[in-house]
Amino acid sequence: EIVLTQSPGTLSLSPGERATLSCRASQSMTSTYLGWYQQKPGQAPRLLIYGGSSRATDIPDRFSGSGSGTDFTLTISRLEPEDFAVYYCQQYGSSPYTFGQGTKLEIK
Amino acid sequence: QVHLVQSGAEVKKPGSSVKVSCTASGGTFNSYAFNWVRQAPGQGLEWVGRLIPVVSIRNYAQKFQARVTITADESTGTAYMELSALTSDDTAVYYCATDGGRVPALYYFKSWGQGTLITVSS
Repeated sequence: EIVLTQSPGTLSLSPGERATLSCRASQSMTSTYLGWYQQKPGQAPRLLIYGGSSRATDIPDRFSGSGSGTDFTLTISRLEPEDFAVYYCQQYGSSPYTFGQGTKLEIK
Repeated sequence: QVHLVQSGAEVKKPGSSVKVSCTASGGTFNSYAFNWVRQAPGQGLEWVGRLIPVVSIRNYAQKFQARVTITADESTGTAYMELSALTSDDTAVYYCATDGGRVPALYYFKSWGQGTLITVSS
């Protein structure tokens, strides 16, 4: 089983700042099978990034994904008020399709 | 874009079973797979299992292997997840989500249902 560890657990930033969220895999994997999701309170998760770096439909270009091997990153270039939420990485290349424990992005 | 609508919240007794439905619209039923993901209160996301309806291929997380069954009815465009031998640890919101089905690079969870709260309590 591939374990994904996200850091930090909580990130406190202000609107307009840049956010960098990390996801580390317990074994090397291809970014082809790495996704990122956003979840707001009381809502289902929403796909942001698939294939490590491809934005899903209607996702603004301030969201970008990168990385390879065991280290992956979600970057939000300029935070908007609606971006404050919990973010999860997921690998879907090897069953079980595991998620990281999440990073909560909160307003400073 | 596939639109997924799940059945409503339920309260179940310990030891009983629950069956949650997920009805899809706006896509081609046999072109994708159904996944089930759960989220305990205040916790993260946990993948339960997956079904590709067109070929009836299933795989389950080992943790749930003995007590979960995922099925689908093409005639109604509905997938189901049945979980048995419920305990309080199964109290969670259960989500269905679809992925690209046959190609691993497309296995990301593109569409999600609204979630179904299952509460297990005596």
